Amino acid sequence: AQSVTQLDSQVPVFEEAPVELRCNYSSSVSVYLFWYVQYPNQGLQLLLKYLSGSTLVKGINGFEAEFNKSQTSFHLRKPSVHISDTAEYFCAVSGGDQGAQKLVFGQGTRLTINP
Amino acid sequence: KAGVTQTPRYLIKTRGQQVTLSCSPISGHRSVSWYQQTPGQGLQFLFEYFSETQRNKGNFPGRFSGRQFSNSRSEMNVSTLELGDSALYLCASSLAPLSEQFFGPGTRLTVL
Repeated sequence: AQSVTQLDSQVPVFEEAPVELRCNYSSSVSVYLFWYVQYPNQGLQLLLKYLSGSTLVKGINGFEAEFNKSQTSFHLRKPSVHISDTAEYFCAVSGGDQGAQKLVFGQGTRLTINP
Repeated sequence: KAGVTQTPRYLIKTRGQQVTLSCSPISGHRSVSWYQQTPGQGLQFLFEYFSETQRNKGNFPGRFSGRQFSNSRSEMNVSTLELGDSALYLCASSLAPLSEQFFGPGTRLTVL
């Protein structure tokens, strides 16, 4: 079975500083990888996804992530954060023996941007 | 184009009751998935429907059931509610399996 580990439950960062949210996954087969963002009292919004091809994936709102197969990681980065980036971020995996549509989520990382 | 809508947005029930939640996918989307979100367990997959057929099911007891109609709208039902069923229930729709999933705002269920 697949699993996802988000290594930090909370990440505080100052505005305009860079940020990295870490995600590791476990799977014995090829998978698809995603990052979602959840603002308070809202559903999930897709930031970016890796299906195949280039390992550096660019998403919305200036976020990007790099797929590293040897380290089974898919860390999310942003070079300069804004107050509006304050939210909870979820890494997810699908595919393999769990089926392509079922998303397995990490526990989430709460990103707090301080002025 | 309207997004995924879920009704009701908030619901309060008591233990032992049953509840039905509704999800209307984005127009043209035929795949609907349901997830449960709780502080303790995080986001967990419940089921996936495509063209009125359940394609995948998560590890939840039989009290949790769902269905999809010919217009792709989906409902999930929880019978004999327990306190631990209190959660945010999220619905996601996509054009087809493997395509991007769009999430609704969720239904927050509180069981007293």
